[in-house]
Formats: sequence, C-alpha cells, structure tokens
Amino acid sequence: NAGVMQNPRHLVRRRGQEARLRCSPMKGHSHVYWYRQLPEEGLKFMVYLQKENIIDESGMPKERFSAEFPKEGPSILRIQQVVRGDSAAYFCASSPLNTEAFFGQGTRLTVV
Amino acid sequence: DQQVKQNSPSLSVQEGRISILNCDYTNSMFDYFLWYKKYPAEGPTFLISISSIKDKNEDGRFTVFLNKSAKHLSLHIVPSQPGDSAVYFCAARGSRSNYKLTFGKGTLLTVNP
Repeated sequence: NAGVMQNPRHLVRRRGQEARLRCSPMKGHSHVYWYRQLPEEGLKFMVYLQKENIIDESGMPKERFSAEFPKEGPSILRIQQVVRGDSAAYFCASSPLNTEAFFGQGTRLTVV
Repeated sequence: DQQVKQNSPSLSVQEGRISILNCDYTNSMFDYFLWYKKYPAEGPTFLISISSIKDKNEDGRFTVFLNKSAKHLSLHIVPSQPGDSAVYFCAARGSRSNYKLTFGKGTLLTVNP
C-alpha cells in the first residue's frame, strides 16, 4: 500500500509563473489536507478537501491559491502568479476518516 | 498568534539517556494532541497521540504526558537512540474542527552516540 505521493518533489518557478502541486492520497483515503511550511516555521493548515468538495479552505490565501480534489485523479494545489514569499514546503496528507492523517514527502517550491 | 508553542528550538542528549520535549498550548478548545517526527526532506510521521481525557499515553520507548491545567504536554523518549535524531513537532486539534492540526515550530533533537 503506497503512501501519500506528492509530485514534483522540487519545483522551481520564476515570479509570475504558475505552480501546480499534485497529491495522490493513500488507497482508500477520501480526505485530503494541504499544509504549508515556511522556513523556520511549523506546518500551517491550508485546506481540507473530500472528493469534489472543498470542506474548509480557511487557511488558504484569499488570492492566487486554489485547490481541487476531482472525482478521478490526484488533488491539485494551484498557485497562480507566484511570488518569492510563496517559496515553502507544501505537504499533503490524507486520511480515511477524521483519524490521524498520513503525510506525503512534500513539494519544495522555490520562486526565483 | 502561536497557539502551540515549542520553546526549545533544539535539544541535544546522549545516547541511552532520556529526551524530554516540551510543548505548551493556549487554546482551551484543543482536546487531542499529537507528536510528529520529521527527517530532513521527508514529510512528518505520526508518532504518538493523547486525548484530553487522559494524562499519559505510552508506546514503547515513547510516552506523552498531558497536564491540562497547565496547558502543557511533553514527549519522553527512553532510552534515546541516534536514529531518534529528527525534528519533533507537537500538534493539536479541537473537536469543532477535528481535522485541522495546529503545529508548533518544532524542536530539533540530536542524540549523540
């Protein structure tokens, strides 16, 4: 049973470009969460999704950030017009129900 | 506003001794607490948890203690091993949003052989 798979592991984008981060949850998990870790900080909750539904996006910046978890395929975290301050590690986690979540290895986004 | 605080950025202990990692929280709505371990370039790995109805939970070498009145919890690792060297994150969640974890900034534990 593969763990939570995130890709790419590393992503470099120039300012103004779009970043698309993908997350495939563990098999049988229908709950997906995205967290962001800025340098020297703890992980901060961004969004909670179930299949085709955004349940809680209270941690998402109001602009440029969006997330989806379609019926088929991975969950996508999309950042439009990236800025240097978006450079961070983005972690996806999944769970079968509201139990302990399992984290992926993260995508390290660098904006140059 | 840091609702979960880990005031020690780093801790160094000798192999075989006890490691004690501390965590304080301010939100009285938190009722479930977790510790995660994280190696460089990897995601956090769940280690141990405790519900607010308990004051202690033990799993092998790892024990978590919860003092609700002081809003304080600690993770004890006995005996410490070099492979325990990692960043340890304390996290908490409340019953209203029981999926949303609030993390501390982490403590880097180094276990010296």
